[in-house]
Amino acid sequence: DGGITQSPKYLFRKEGQNVTLSCEQNLNHDAMYWYRQDPGQGLRLIYYSQIVNDFQKGDIAEGYSVSREKKESFPLTVTSAQKNPTAFYLCASIGGGAVDTQYFGPGTRLTVL
Amino acid sequence: AQSVTQLDSQVPVFEEAPVELRCNYSSSVSVYLFWYVQYPNQGLQLLLKYLSGSTLVKGINGFEAEFNKSQTSFHLRKPSVHISDTAEYFCAVRYSGGYQKVTFGIGTKLQVIP
Repeated sequence: DGGITQSPKYLFRKEGQNVTLSCEQNLNHDAMYWYRQDPGQGLRLIYYSQIVNDFQKGDIAEGYSVSREKKESFPLTVTSAQKNPTAFYLCASIGGGAVDTQYFGPGTRLTVL
Repeated sequence: AQSVTQLDSQVPVFEEAPVELRCNYSSSVSVYLFWYVQYPNQGLQLLLKYLSGSTLVKGINGFEAEFNKSQTSFHLRKPSVHISDTAEYFCAVRYSGGYQKVTFGIGTKLQVIP
Protein backbone atom coordinates (compact mmCIF):
# COMPACT_ATOMS: atom_id res chain seq x y z
CA ASP A 1 0.00 0.00 0.00
CA GLY A 2 1.19 3.49 -0.79
CA GLY A 3 1.61 5.96 2.01
CA ILE A 4 3.83 7.97 4.30
CA THR A 5 5.75 6.44 7.18
CA GLN A 6 7.25 8.31 10.09
CA SER A 7 9.52 6.79 12.64
CA PRO A 8 9.71 6.47 15.51
CA LYS A 9 6.18 7.03 16.85
CA TYR A 10 7.51 8.32 20.18
CA LEU A 11 10.92 9.83 20.77
CA PHE A 12 12.58 11.01 23.95
CA ARG A 13 15.75 13.09 24.04
CA LYS A 14 17.75 15.00 26.58
CA GLU A 15 17.91 18.76 26.33
CA GLY A 16 20.79 19.93 24.15
CA GLN A 17 20.86 16.90 21.88
CA ASN A 18 20.10 16.98 18.19
CA VAL A 19 17.52 14.47 16.98
CA THR A 20 16.45 13.39 13.49
CA LEU A 21 12.89 12.43 12.60
CA SER A 22 12.39 10.14 9.64
CA CYS A 23 9.79 10.60 6.88
CA GLU A 24 9.50 8.25 3.91
CA GLN A 25 6.84 8.16 1.18
CA ASN A 26 6.22 5.67 -1.63
CA LEU A 27 3.55 7.77 -3.36
CA ASN A 28 6.00 9.16 -5.91
CA HIS A 29 5.07 12.66 -4.74
CA ASP A 30 7.27 15.61 -5.59
CA ALA A 31 6.45 17.92 -2.69
CA MET A 32 7.03 17.08 0.96
CA TYR A 33 6.34 19.06 4.14
CA TRP A 34 7.08 19.13 7.84
CA TYR A 35 4.60 20.57 10.31
CA ARG A 36 4.72 21.08 14.02
CA GLN A 37 1.52 20.69 16.03
CA ASP A 38 1.01 22.16 19.49
CA PRO A 39 -2.26 22.19 21.45
CA GLY A 40 -4.47 25.10 20.41
CA GLN A 41 -2.13 26.24 17.63
CA GLY A 42 -3.05 23.99 14.75
CA LEU A 43 -0.36 23.00 12.28
CA ARG A 44 2.58 25.28 11.62
CA LEU A 45 4.85 24.79 8.62
CA ILE A 46 8.53 24.18 9.42
CA TYR A 47 10.06 23.33 6.03
CA TYR A 48 8.88 22.17 2.65
CA SER A 49 10.50 20.75 -0.45
CA GLN A 50 8.99 20.85 -3.92
CA ILE A 51 11.75 18.87 -5.61
CA VAL A 52 14.82 16.79 -4.80
CA ASN A 53 17.83 18.81 -3.59
CA ASP A 54 15.69 21.88 -2.95
CA PHE A 55 13.83 23.00 0.15
CA GLN A 56 12.42 26.21 1.60
CA LYS A 57 11.84 27.56 5.10
CA GLY A 58 8.32 27.66 6.37
CA ASP A 59 6.87 29.85 9.09
CA ILE A 60 8.86 28.43 12.04
CA ALA A 61 12.15 27.10 10.61
CA GLU A 62 14.47 28.39 13.33
CA GLY A 63 16.17 25.53 15.19
CA TYR A 64 15.34 22.96 12.50
CA SER A 65 17.14 21.62 9.44
CA VAL A 66 16.17 19.29 6.60
CA SER A 67 17.62 17.51 3.59
CA ARG A 68 16.08 16.12 0.41
CA GLU A 69 18.61 13.86 -1.24
CA LYS A 70 16.01 11.38 -2.47
CA LYS A 71 12.48 11.91 -3.73
CA GLU A 72 11.00 9.51 -1.19
CA SER A 73 12.80 10.81 1.91
CA PHE A 74 12.63 14.12 3.81
CA PRO A 75 14.26 13.84 7.27
CA LEU A 76 13.90 16.63 9.82
CA THR A 77 16.61 17.40 12.37
CA VAL A 78 15.59 19.18 15.54
CA THR A 79 18.71 20.95 16.75
CA SER A 80 19.70 22.13 20.20
CA ALA A 81 18.94 25.67 19.01
CA GLN A 82 15.21 24.94 19.01
CA LYS A 83 14.09 26.44 22.30
CA ASN A 84 10.91 24.42 22.81
CA PRO A 85 11.15 21.22 20.76
CA THR A 86 8.58 19.09 22.61
CA ALA A 87 5.69 18.70 20.14
CA PHE A 88 3.92 16.42 17.69
CA TYR A 89 5.60 16.46 14.27
CA LEU A 90 3.74 15.62 11.08
CA CYS A 91 5.17 14.91 7.65
CA ALA A 92 3.04 15.33 4.53
CA SER A 93 3.32 15.15 0.76
CA ILE A 94 1.49 16.33 -2.35
CA GLY A 95 1.64 14.87 -5.83
CA GLY A 96 2.49 16.80 -8.94
CA GLY A 97 -1.02 17.78 -10.00
CA ALA A 98 -2.42 21.21 -9.24
CA VAL A 99 -5.46 19.76 -7.52
CA ASP A 100 -3.76 16.98 -5.59
CA THR A 101 -4.54 16.39 -1.95
CA GLN A 102 -2.00 16.64 0.85
CA TYR A 103 -1.44 13.26 2.52
CA PHE A 104 -0.13 12.92 6.07
CA GLY A 105 2.02 10.46 7.93
CA PRO A 106 1.04 9.15 11.40
CA GLY A 107 3.29 11.62 13.21
CA THR A 108 6.15 11.50 15.72
CA ARG A 109 5.73 12.76 19.26
CA LEU A 110 9.01 14.23 20.47
CA THR A 111 9.55 14.82 24.16
CA VAL A 112 12.68 16.61 25.32
CA LEU A 113 13.52 15.98 28.94
CA ALA B 1 -1.71 36.27 2.40
CA GLN B 2 -4.03 33.39 3.00
CA SER B 3 -5.41 32.67 6.45
CA VAL B 4 -7.99 30.37 7.99
CA THR B 5 -10.20 31.06 11.00
CA GLN B 6 -11.98 28.32 12.87
CA LEU B 7 -14.33 30.15 15.14
CA ASP B 8 -14.90 27.44 17.73
CA SER B 9 -12.07 25.70 19.54
CA GLN B 10 -14.42 23.12 21.10
CA VAL B 11 -17.90 21.97 20.16
CA PRO B 12 -19.82 19.61 22.45
CA VAL B 13 -22.86 17.92 20.91
CA PHE B 14 -25.16 15.09 21.93
CA GLU B 15 -25.09 11.85 19.98
CA GLU B 16 -27.49 11.81 16.98
CA ALA B 17 -27.76 15.61 17.02
CA PRO B 18 -26.66 17.72 14.03
CA VAL B 19 -23.39 19.65 14.10
CA GLU B 20 -21.80 22.51 12.19
CA LEU B 21 -18.11 23.38 12.45
CA ARG B 22 -17.35 26.83 11.14
CA CYS B 23 -14.47 27.89 8.91
CA ASN B 24 -13.75 31.24 7.29
CA TYR B 25 -10.82 32.03 5.06
CA SER B 26 -9.20 35.11 3.61
CA SER B 27 -7.57 35.19 0.24
CA SER B 28 -7.45 37.57 -2.67
CA VAL B 29 -7.24 34.77 -5.22
CA SER B 30 -9.07 31.54 -5.98
CA VAL B 31 -8.48 28.81 -3.44
CA TYR B 32 -8.91 25.14 -2.81
CA LEU B 33 -10.51 24.26 0.54
CA PHE B 34 -10.16 21.15 2.67
CA TRP B 35 -11.43 19.61 5.87
CA TYR B 36 -9.30 17.07 7.71
CA VAL B 37 -10.01 14.93 10.78
CA GLN B 38 -7.43 13.92 13.36
CA TYR B 39 -7.87 11.22 15.99
CA PRO B 40 -5.60 11.32 19.07
CA ASN B 41 -1.92 10.74 18.32
CA GLN B 42 -2.56 10.14 14.63
CA GLY B 43 -1.97 12.00 11.41
CA LEU B 44 -4.62 13.95 9.51
CA GLN B 45 -7.12 12.22 7.25
CA LEU B 46 -8.92 14.03 4.45
CA LEU B 47 -12.69 14.34 4.98
CA LEU B 48 -13.56 16.35 1.88
CA LYS B 49 -12.31 19.03 -0.46
CA TYR B 50 -13.64 21.81 -2.65
CA LEU B 51 -11.76 22.44 -5.88
CA SER B 52 -14.41 23.87 -8.22
CA GLY B 53 -17.95 23.26 -9.43
CA SER B 54 -20.80 22.45 -7.07
CA THR B 55 -20.57 24.41 -3.84
CA LEU B 56 -21.93 21.52 -1.79
CA VAL B 57 -19.27 18.93 -1.23
CA LYS B 58 -19.88 15.50 0.26
CA GLY B 59 -17.16 13.62 2.08
CA ILE B 60 -16.53 10.49 4.06
CA ASN B 61 -18.35 9.45 7.25
CA GLY B 62 -21.50 11.39 6.29
CA PHE B 63 -19.91 14.84 6.42
CA GLU B 64 -20.57 17.60 3.93
CA ALA B 65 -19.45 21.19 3.51
CA GLU B 66 -20.70 24.19 1.60
CA PHE B 67 -18.44 26.69 -0.12
CA ASN B 68 -19.76 30.24 0.11
CA LYS B 69 -17.59 32.61 -1.88
CA SER B 70 -19.41 35.80 -0.87
CA GLN B 71 -19.00 35.00 2.82
CA THR B 72 -15.59 33.33 2.36
CA SER B 73 -16.78 30.38 4.38
CA PHE B 74 -16.53 26.61 4.17
CA HIS B 75 -18.55 25.23 7.08
CA LEU B 76 -18.59 21.52 7.82
CA ARG B 77 -21.87 19.79 8.70
CA LYS B 78 -23.23 16.42 9.69
CA PRO B 79 -26.95 15.79 10.25
CA SER B 80 -26.48 13.17 12.98
CA VAL B 81 -23.22 12.60 14.83
CA HIS B 82 -21.94 9.40 16.34
CA ILE B 83 -19.60 8.79 19.26
CA SER B 84 -16.90 7.79 16.78
CA ASP B 85 -16.95 11.33 15.34
CA THR B 86 -15.22 12.60 18.47
CA ALA B 87 -11.97 14.03 17.10
CA GLU B 88 -10.29 17.27 16.09
CA TYR B 89 -11.21 18.82 12.78
CA PHE B 90 -9.01 21.13 10.73
CA CYS B 91 -9.98 23.44 7.92
CA ALA B 92 -7.26 24.24 5.36
CA VAL B 93 -6.83 26.49 2.34
CA ARG B 94 -4.47 26.36 -0.60
CA TYR B 95 -3.99 28.74 -3.51
CA SER B 96 -5.32 27.42 -6.79
CA GLY B 97 -2.36 28.70 -8.76
CA GLY B 98 1.04 27.07 -8.67
CA TYR B 99 2.52 27.30 -5.17
CA GLN B 100 1.53 24.36 -3.00
CA LYS B 101 1.54 25.91 0.46
CA VAL B 102 -1.37 24.83 2.63
CA THR B 103 -2.54 26.98 5.53
CA PHE B 104 -4.41 25.35 8.40
CA GLY B 105 -6.82 26.65 10.99
CA ILE B 106 -6.17 26.01 14.67
CA GLY B 107 -8.64 23.14 14.77
CA THR B 108 -12.02 22.45 16.39
CA LYS B 109 -12.40 19.66 18.91
CA LEU B 110 -15.73 17.90 18.45
CA GLN B 111 -16.89 16.07 21.55
CA VAL B 112 -19.88 13.82 21.07
CA ILE B 113 -21.77 13.22 24.31
CA PRO B 114 -23.63 9.90 24.70
